[in-house]
Amino acid sequence: RKEVEQDPGPFNVPEGATVAFNCTYSNSASQSFFWYRQDCRKEPKLLMSVYSSGNEDGRFTAQLNRASQYISLLIRDSKLSDSATYLCVVNDYGGSQGNLIFGKGTKLSVKP
Amino acid sequence: DTGVSQNPRHKITKRGQNVTFRCDPISEHNRLYWYRQTLGQGPEFLTYFQNEAQLEKSRLLSDRFSAERPKGSFSTLEIQRTEQGDSAMYLCASSLAGQVYNEQFFGPGTRLTVL
Repeated sequence: RKEVEQDPGPFNVPEGATVAFNCTYSNSASQSFFWYRQDCRKEPKLLMSVYSSGNEDGRFTAQLNRASQYISLLIRDSKLSDSATYLCVVNDYGGSQGNLIFGKGTKLSVKP
Repeated sequence: DTGVSQNPRHKITKRGQNVTFRCDPISEHNRLYWYRQTLGQGPEFLTYFQNEAQLEKSRLLSDRFSAERPKGSFSTLEIQRTEQGDSAMYLCASSLAGQVYNEQFFGPGTRLTVL
């Protein structure tokens, strides 16, 4: 079983649409969770950390379900500039430190 | 620019040659990580340092790979006797130890092509 699993997509959506990405992780001891965004041939950029109570940053909402070991990212009112690969990431250790385990990413393409 | 920097940005080498990459982390960050990313995959952890101490190495890091961070600031990653399978993007990230969420920030990467 892969440590972090994501639907690879691609998700092709029109501008203004709402799109949701899901992710599951296998290490129940993981304590830190993140969504990174990666544009083609660029480095991953931190989009948001995912807090236990869920958190929102503008058009982006992240949720965590520890019991199901499931993380989600919701993007509302999609923009053309949201087109990228979204990487679900968890830390490797029971604490909040340590290296990160990345999913393969979900590709999003927002069309006019 | 106060972000993570990496040099060179691109490296083309012939099989069997040695290559060395450099990473300069965000100045106040004491943790430094190396990852490798191949096409269609997420980054995979290679090794990390806290200050000058190398605290963990992945089993992906074969004997041909060595990383150093001699003064706890910049780091180098050397690959000896390169193989075609080493072709990948090598990413460096840094973070500040002690933070609750250990958010890591990535440099632009060094893209290695082994011919």
